[in-house]
Amino acid sequence: GAVVSQHPSRVICKSGTSVKIECRSLDFQATTMFWYRQFPKQSLMLMATSNEGSKATYEQGVEKDKFLINHASLTLSTLTVTSAHPEDSSFYICSASGTGDGYTFGSGTRLTVV
Amino acid sequence: KNQVEQSPQSLIILEGKNCTLQCNYTVSPFSNLRWYKQDTGRGPVSLTIMTFSENTKSNGRYTATLDADTKQSSLHITASQLSDSASYICVVSARAGGYNKLIFGAGTRLAVHP
Repeated sequence: GAVVSQHPSRVICKSGTSVKIECRSLDFQATTMFWYRQFPKQSLMLMATSNEGSKATYEQGVEKDKFLINHASLTLSTLTVTSAHPEDSSFYICSASGTGDGYTFGSGTRLTVV
Repeated sequence: KNQVEQSPQSLIILEGKNCTLQCNYTVSPFSNLRWYKQDTGRGPVSLTIMTFSENTKSNGRYTATLDADTKQSSLHITASQLSDSASYICVVSARAGGYNKLIFGAGTRLAVHP
């Protein structure tokens, strides 16, 4: 089955630094990748949608200069949280979609900004 | 407005018992409905996916139903196990601009006690 690998699973960073999260589709080509944010006991909130080779489409209220998304290949998308602040602490999850109708989620990244 | 509502918000059952989770949606145009299981601190894992013409689909002890007329779905878990403790998320796909937009329910948090 389709597998999506997300790294790191946990990261702690100092306020003001940047953090990069990687999302890889291991056994299929992901034409579209999605990035979500999830607060405790809440459901996933879509942050942005990215298609390989083009700029990401951000949801309303998501700062594109703060959450940089790169989808340079059909198997890799990255989310960089720039100048992180404690309020950016959250659970970030990616999902990938290929040519079919399936969506496969990564295992998530717990970001803690101290 | 596209919405997905799940009930109950949380549920506690004893090991070995059955339970049913509900999902009501107002999504148009409807593409498909998925149930995911999300363990704490992990990404969602797909349980079932159903299109408009499918009424029921099973995956082991999980059975999902779909009534496209009333826009309701249910997830029935048979002979619950401790490992079933997780959040169960109903996700409805709406066709938009050539790709599917996922609308997430808030989830039902299930706790299975010995």
